[in-house]
Amino acid sequence: DAGITQSPRHKVTETGTPVTLRCHQTENHRYMYWYRQDPGHGLRLIHYSYGVKDTDKGEVSDGYSVSRSKTEDFLLTLESATSSQTSVYFCAISSSTSGSGYNEQFFGPGTRLTVL
Amino acid sequence: QQQVKQSPQSLIVQKGGISIINCAYENTAFDYFPWYQQFPGKGPALLIAIRPDVSEKKEGRFTISFNKSAKQFSLHIMDSQPGDSATYFCAASVDGYGNKLVFGAGTILRVKS
Repeated sequence: DAGITQSPRHKVTETGTPVTLRCHQTENHRYMYWYRQDPGHGLRLIHYSYGVKDTDKGEVSDGYSVSRSKTEDFLLTLESATSSQTSVYFCAISSSTSGSGYNEQFFGPGTRLTVL
Repeated sequence: QQQVKQSPQSLIVQKGGISIINCAYENTAFDYFPWYQQFPGKGPALLIAIRPDVSEKKEGRFTISFNKSAKQFSLHIMDSQPGDSATYFCAASVDGYGNKLVFGAGTILRVKS
């Protein structure tokens, strides 16, 4: 999984509680991403980071916040979890050093989150 | 509304056959089209990608065909094998760098031996 770890791998929580998911990389890549995967929707970008303290919103950012204080760590926080945020969350990393000229993204193993 | 429409939802192919998965898009600003392969319980893995100035790209048994005028692109898996059984996602990027990917809904491929 391209030097990416996600923690926790599984989590069950109650509606209204805050939840933080962690993505850790050992590749020293500049870009990091958070996606959610739901049946019938493929993967949808939540937020991404293009450097320490530099982040941007994705397609489905409402209800989520992110932070990146170190190159290797990208945190996703659900301030007040809702049942609609039950999903599998994937972190990805990329760099601009690929031969294609584009930031080829490599995904972590995922975190399965259930909000009751 | 899905910005990239992928079909079929599922596909069964005999071993040795050709698997074909299609994607269509409307946004002509899309400039990078990767395909991902995902096995159960794993994260998606980049399979092959194409830029809009190329009509075809081949890597081993995997080929992307790109039709810019029709705004369609497809993945062909030649000599399909049971080990190819997985979910495949097409994607597109609009930001010029491959950062903001939008994905199709996915195709579940089963290759029968």
